[in-house]
Amino acid sequence: DADVTQTPRNRITKTGKRIMLECSQTKGHDRMYWYRQDPGLGLRLIYYSFDVKDINKGEISDGYSVSRQAQAKFSLSLESAIPNQTALYFCATSDYRAGGTDTQYFGPGTRLTVL
Amino acid sequence: SQQGEEDPQALSIQEGENATMNCSYKTSINNLQWYRQNSGRGLVHLILIRSNEREKHSGRLRVTLDTSKKSSSLLITASRAADTASYFCATQGGGSNYKLTFGKGTLLTVNP
Repeated sequence: DADVTQTPRNRITKTGKRIMLECSQTKGHDRMYWYRQDPGLGLRLIYYSFDVKDINKGEISDGYSVSRQAQAKFSLSLESAIPNQTALYFCATSDYRAGGTDTQYFGPGTRLTVL
Repeated sequence: SQQGEEDPQALSIQEGENATMNCSYKTSINNLQWYRQNSGRGLVHLILIRSNEREKHSGRLRVTLDTSKKSSSLLITASRAADTASYFCATQGGGSNYKLTFGKGTLLTVNP
């Protein structure tokens, strides 16, 4: 089984709808992240969480919210979806090591289309 | 804003040739990492090089880091069609600035 799973894998929705993307991990990592990827723009960080009680905004958090329900679960919500939120969304986890290295492990992605 | 910038944006080579991708960044780093992404799939970590290292090898991968020029290169030797993917560099700062910042990637196409 995959270490980092995302549901759903594909979602088509309409403008104004509330959407939740879910991420689960079995790696036992404390740190979890949500990114979006747009063609030609690379990955941009939406939110990150270093443990269940520590949630932080990334560079593009407007229009999004998150919930860290447990160490293993981190959900991303779009309260009122708009077309420019159409993108590929990735969840990632990391195991921060002494010495400051932070290698990340990615889920398979959720392709979201907002009509 | 993006920290790392890969060059070239796209690279097309024949199987068996070597592929070199470059990454430039702007601020001091703790380490630099390279990731690979097959089309539409999640990124996979390839290799990490710390700021006090100059070169690192892993199988057919060779990474160099020049902190004075704020640049890194990824060399894939004897490329295979299966190496076709996008390659991203990601930088991690020191101290409290320990999030990864990804570049926009280089799309490598290896033709059979």
